[in-house]
Amino acid sequence: TQLLEQSPQFLSIQEGENLTVYCNSSSVFSSLQWYRQEPGEGPVLLVTVVTGGEVKKLKRLTFQFGDARKDSSLHITAAQPGDTGLYLCAGANADNQGGKLIFGQGTELSVKP
Amino acid sequence: NAGVTQTPKFRILKIGQSMTLQCTQDMNHNYMYWYRQDPGMGLKLIYYSVGAGITDKGEVPNGYNVSRSTTEDFPLRLELAAPSQTSVYFCASSYLGEGTGELFFGEGSRLTVL
Repeated sequence: TQLLEQSPQFLSIQEGENLTVYCNSSSVFSSLQWYRQEPGEGPVLLVTVVTGGEVKKLKRLTFQFGDARKDSSLHITAAQPGDTGLYLCAGANADNQGGKLIFGQGTELSVKP
Repeated sequence: NAGVTQTPKFRILKIGQSMTLQCTQDMNHNYMYWYRQDPGMGLKLIYYSVGAGITDKGEVPNGYNVSRSTTEDFPLRLELAAPSQTSVYFCASSYLGEGTGELFFGEGSRLTVL
């Protein structure tokens, strides 16, 4: 069974702090997506990374795909209360028919003013 | 555009009852999915469809059934509800399919089986 392990599972920080969320696996993925989910809502796509070593920036969020395409990280600079939510990584394994997505268990982020 | 619409948003069932969760999308996406989300477990794929008339099992299909008679609709049927089916259910659609395209999710349906 392929697994995506996210860490930490919970994170509570003060406004202005930096943080990094990790998404690790022993499997190689053809692409990896990051979603953010707010309470009572469905997940919303933040970014897709497809190339080993790729770095993408979205304002204060920086996403990195590992060189071996087995892991990824999300770094938030100067976190704000609006960043509060559940962050999910999801990998597409090219060996699976149809490139089925495997989701990590999520990181619950709380940013306090 | 409404995107992906799920109904109902909340439902309480007794053990052994049956119900259907409705999902419709207005983006003309071929790919549609049903996931369940349990605390600390991420999202698990129940069933998916790559187009009208075609459905296939995901990771956790037991106790569920689906149909896809039109591009827009992808209902999820729960037969003989069990407490283990207490969860939040999300319907999603995609233009390019998982892993290559963005998944658009509905707002979720929270189901409690007592």
